Amino acid sequence: NAGVTQTPKFQVLKTGQSMTLQCAQDMNHNSMYWYRQDPGMGLRLIYYSASEGTTDKGEVPNGYNVSRLNKREFSLRLESAAPSQTSVYFCASTPLEGIQGFALEQYFGPGTRLTVT
Amino acid sequence: KNEVEQSPQNLTAQEGEFITINCSYSVGISALHWLQQHPGGGIVSLFMLSSGKKKHGRLIATINIQEKHSSLHITASHPRDSAVYICAVGQGTSGSRLTFGEGTQLTVNP
Repeated sequence: NAGVTQTPKFQVLKTGQSMTLQCAQDMNHNSMYWYRQDPGMGLRLIYYSASEGTTDKGEVPNGYNVSRLNKREFSLRLESAAPSQTSVYFCASTPLEGIQGFALEQYFGPGTRLTVT
Repeated sequence: KNEVEQSPQNLTAQEGEFITINCSYSVGISALHWLQQHPGGGIVSLFMLSSGKKKHGRLIATINIQEKHSSLHITASHPRDSAVYICAVGQGTSGSRLTFGEGTQLTVNP
């Protein structure tokens, strides 16, 4: 199993450009997440998808859109990049347990380092 | 005030020392997670617990629900334990949305 994969690993954008960060997991997990990590701050949730076909905003969704393409793939799109979106982006997934769907431990991708100039 | 507070922010130890990292939270939780972020940036889950204590090798995690406090202990620390250790709490029925602490940078010197 590859686990959680992310592409690209590094990206430099100019202000106003758009791009899509790709994430895929091969563990048949129900829930998937996009986080950003900035110096001096904890990981912050951008968007998540509790299950295939659903997406919800997290703590910092402004400037981003997501697509849960299928159970495996969850992409994050920046429509018009801004310098404030310079960050390291992590995708994660988690299986759900039991009838109530209790979330277990999260599995993280290797991250994408994005710089917006 | 952050919902999840870790202490200390930075910790330097000598190889072999016993290490404790603390996490306090101010919200109701369904589970608490400890994660490790390697110097290269990768993040792995160490523990998920909702009560009591868990042990894996030289790592021990405890949680006190009444006091809203958790500790991560490393026994016989080694330079390869040098990493950022992150506490996160899961809220809601499913516990799937995590709120993270800022992390504790641990450096273990030989």
